[in-house]
Amino acid sequence: GAVVSQHPSWVICKSGTSVKIECRSLDFQATTMFWYRQFPKQSLMLMATSNEGSKATYEQGVEKDKFLINHASLTLSTLTVTSAHPEDSSFYICSARPRQDTQYFGPGTRLTVL
Amino acid sequence: AQSVTQLGSHVSVSEGALVLLRCNYSSSVPPYLFWYVQYPNQGLQLLLKYTSAATLVKGINGFEAEFKKSETSFHLTKPSAHMSDAAEYFCAVSVGLNDMRFGAGTRLTVKP
Repeated sequence: GAVVSQHPSWVICKSGTSVKIECRSLDFQATTMFWYRQFPKQSLMLMATSNEGSKATYEQGVEKDKFLINHASLTLSTLTVTSAHPEDSSFYICSARPRQDTQYFGPGTRLTVL
Repeated sequence: AQSVTQLGSHVSVSEGALVLLRCNYSSSVPPYLFWYVQYPNQGLQLLLKYTSAATLVKGINGFEAEFKKSETSFHLTKPSAHMSDAAEYFCAVSVGLNDMRFGAGTRLTVKP
C-alpha cells in the first residue's frame, strides 16, 4: 500500500518551454501533497505544499508563477515548470500524505532543460 | 523551526560490519523523526519513523534507530552491513506530519 507514482520519470525540454509533472497516489487519497527539488548530491528542498481544492503554499524563495501547482483531486497533483531554463534542471520529487499518516514519496522526475 | 544535522557526508564500512549513521535534531516541540533511503535516480523509501511511541524503532531491512531526547539524537544502526545497503540515507524531522525538513544526507559505501 501507499504507492505514489510520478510521470514522466524523466524529461528533456528546450529552454522557454513548459513542462508538466504529475504526481499520483495510487492506492490512497492524499489530502496533502508536497513537491521537493533535489540538486545532484544534495538533500531535498521543500518547494511547496498543496492541499486538495486550495492554493498551494510555497516556501520562501520559490517563484509561484514559475512553478505552478494544481491539486485537482485527492489522488493527483501537478507541477508545471513554466518557461523552463537550464537552471531549472533538477530532480523533482513529490510526496503524498494520507490523512493522519506520514508522507510517501514518488520515484522522482529528472528534468533537463537544454 | 525544526532542523536535522547529519554528521558525516560519507560513511564507508566493510560488508558484515556495524553501520552507524548519525543524526541530531533541533526542535522546540516533540518531533517526528524519520530515516529514508535513496538509491540512484530513485525516490525516497521510508526505513523507519519515530512518532513518540517506543524510543527504539525497528525498520525495514534490519535497520533500527533510537530516539534519545537528552542527546537530541536519532542515530540509525544496522548490526551487519550488506552490499545492497549502499545508498544515500536521509534523516528528516517534522512537527506534526507536514513541514518535513531533511538533513544533507549520508552516502553509505559498503566494501566487500
